[in-house]
Amino acid sequence: DIQMTQSPSSLPASVGDRVTITCRASQDIANSLAWYQQKPGKAPKLLVYVASRLEVGVPSRFAGSRSGTNYILTISSLQPEDFATYYCQHTYTPPYSFGQGTRLEMK
Amino acid sequence: QVQLQESGPGLVKPSETLALTCTVSGGSMSGHYWSWIRQTPGKRLEWFGNIYYSGITNYNPSLKSRVTMSVDMSKKQFSLKLTSVTAADTAVYYCARYSGYALDFWGQGTLVTVSS
Repeated sequence: DIQMTQSPSSLPASVGDRVTITCRASQDIANSLAWYQQKPGKAPKLLVYVASRLEVGVPSRFAGSRSGTNYILTISSLQPEDFATYYCQHTYTPPYSFGQGTRLEMK
Repeated sequence: QVQLQESGPGLVKPSETLALTCTVSGGSMSGHYWSWIRQTPGKRLEWFGNIYYSGITNYNPSLKSRVTMSVDMSKKQFSLKLTSVTAADTAVYYCARYSGYALDFWGQGTLVTVSS
């Protein structure tokens, strides 16, 4: 099974900051990587799929990229509504496992 | 806009079978995969598997011996059964649509507690 290692587990930040969250896959997943945002009491919401494609309606301050086996979610200028927990998930071959999550919190 | 809604008991006794249904509205089930995911009290997300609208399944090997998924196109529903539950199966259970790339539409989730 492919393991997804997500870091950091928590990230203190301020409005306006540029933040990055990283997911490392235990093997090549050929860009089959999605990012989700989850707010308390809500279901996860799809932000990015196929590593860098933005889901319809997602603000352009969110961006996904890849560097080797590392997949990166960047928020260019943090807004108050962006404080949430973020998860990656690979969809390369079943089982489609998730990262452990990154809690983005106010500094 | 596709909408999904989970339904089923919120409390299941240990060793019994957990059974949930997801009702799809606002779109067709045809041509899509449908998924179950759960989130543990520690906030870990676990993928259970997919079922294609035709009934073809892909299960997570770690749960495969206990999981059955089915689909009822006439009712626009798909279902999850998890046998021999223990306290470790206490979680929020989500249904979702798998686009072929990612889980693009999710239900609101339903909390299932395993307790006697």
